[in-house]
Amino acid sequence: DSGVTQTPKHLITATGQRVTLRCSPRSGDLSVYWYQQSLDQGLQFLIQYYNGEERAKGNILERFSAQQFPDLHSELNLSSLELGDSALYFCASSTTGYTGELFFGEGSRLTVL
Amino acid sequence: GESVGLHLPTLSVQEGDNSIINCAYSNSASDYFIWYKQESGKGPQFIIDIRSNMDKRQGQRVTVLLNKTVKHLSLQIAATQPGDSAVYFCAESYSGGGADGLTFGKGTHLIIQP
Repeated sequence: DSGVTQTPKHLITATGQRVTLRCSPRSGDLSVYWYQQSLDQGLQFLIQYYNGEERAKGNILERFSAQQFPDLHSELNLSSLELGDSALYFCASSTTGYTGELFFGEGSRLTVL
Repeated sequence: GESVGLHLPTLSVQEGDNSIINCAYSNSASDYFIWYKQESGKGPQFIIDIRSNMDKRQGQRVTVLLNKTVKHLSLQIAATQPGDSAVYFCAESYSGGGADGLTFGKGTHLIIQP
């Protein structure tokens, strides 16, 4: 158990819909990362937050957004969903905002029909 | 663009044998590397890391080798066990490039034959 909690574990929705994925980092970790994992793209970095502030952006679509709240949990919002958005979405946390070990949650599997 | 990649998508080894998983990276500025293990239905788990000022680092049954000259990283698993069956990812980062997370390779699926 990494200490990172993600909900929901599974989510099935239709194209055009909007969903929110939630992540609680390890106790004491200030930094939260979101990754997307699909079969053909591997693990793709989406976005990082550190202590409530956006720190870095990766390959995140404009239809996607995220935020980190004062209690340090984070939410990833996915809107106008397309079939190609079906993937595993992982949240990871770390103590600092810089290089170092990331602790991953179990992921949220999103299926868009 | 810069990328991290793996040579082989699938590696099959006999139980008890040693496994070697290879990884090539192209960003010569990368100074931190991690190997992750991902079992089916789970998130990636940290195995071992190495910084660019080292050539070799050993853990429990695992060794990571870094060859900066040819930009190559390898993970050696000694006496493989059924529980080692998983997908293994190498990842890189550059500490001077800002906090942009780790760049992952596509993964190698390690299969342990009984």
